[in-house]
Amino acid sequence: AQRVTQPEKLLSVFKGAPVELKCNYSYSGSPELFWYVQYSRQRLQLLLRHISRESIKGFTADLNKGETSFHLKKPFAQEEDSAMYYCALTIYQGGSEKLVFGKGTKLTVNP
Amino acid sequence: GAGVSQSPSNKVTEKGKDVELRCDPISGHTALYWYRQRLGQGLEFLIYFQGNSAPDKSGLPSDRFSAERTGESVSTLTIQRTQQEDSAVYLCASSSTIQSPSDNEQFFGPGTRLTVL
Repeated sequence: AQRVTQPEKLLSVFKGAPVELKCNYSYSGSPELFWYVQYSRQRLQLLLRHISRESIKGFTADLNKGETSFHLKKPFAQEEDSAMYYCALTIYQGGSEKLVFGKGTKLTVNP
Repeated sequence: GAGVSQSPSNKVTEKGKDVELRCDPISGHTALYWYRQRLGQGLEFLIYFQGNSAPDKSGLPSDRFSAERTGESVSTLTIQRTQQEDSAVYLCASSSTIQSPSDNEQFFGPGTRLTVL
C-alpha cells in the first residue's frame, strides 16, 4: 500500500537548534516526494520537492531509497519556521496523479 | 494573479442537509483536486479532475459525496445527507500539467470549514 508516515505529531525545538522532521514512505514505483508547509492562518504551500534538490528557507531534504525516507532538515531553526509540515508522495495510477499526504508534524520553535 | 479560491469559507449545517462547496482554480490549470482534512488528521484525497478525462473518484468516502467540474474551470463538491463525521476542512488544489509530472506543484485554496451539527 502507498502511504506516507510522519511519526512525530509535535516537535518543539529552541531557536538556533537543528531540526529534523521525519518522513517515511511506502511505494512500489519510483517515488516523487514533496514537503508542504502551512503557516498560521495561511494556505498550504509547497516548500520543496526532492527532484529539485533545492534548499528553501534553509531547509533541505534528501531522498534515501534504501531507508525509504525523506526527512526535512534545517541546521538552525528560526521562530518563523513554526508551522505545520506535511510530507507528500505522488502516486500514479491508471492515468491519474494524486498526492498522498502524511498526517503532518507541528513544529514549534521557541525563543 | 489570483490564486485558488473556495467558497464558502465556513459552512455550518444540520445533519441530513445537503451542502455544496465551490472551488475556482487558477486560470489555465488543467488539474483540480479535492482533499478533506479532519481535525488532527492528514489530508485525505477525495477526487481528481484532469482536463476532459474521466475523474478519479477513488477517494470519495461514500456515494453521498460527488463532484463536478465544468471544463477546466469551477468545481463543486456536493455532500448529500450530511453526517457529523463529514465535519472537516475541505481543500481544493489545482496544478498545471504542462510541465513534467514531477514539477507539478499543487496550489491550494484557503479551504471550506464544514461543521455538521
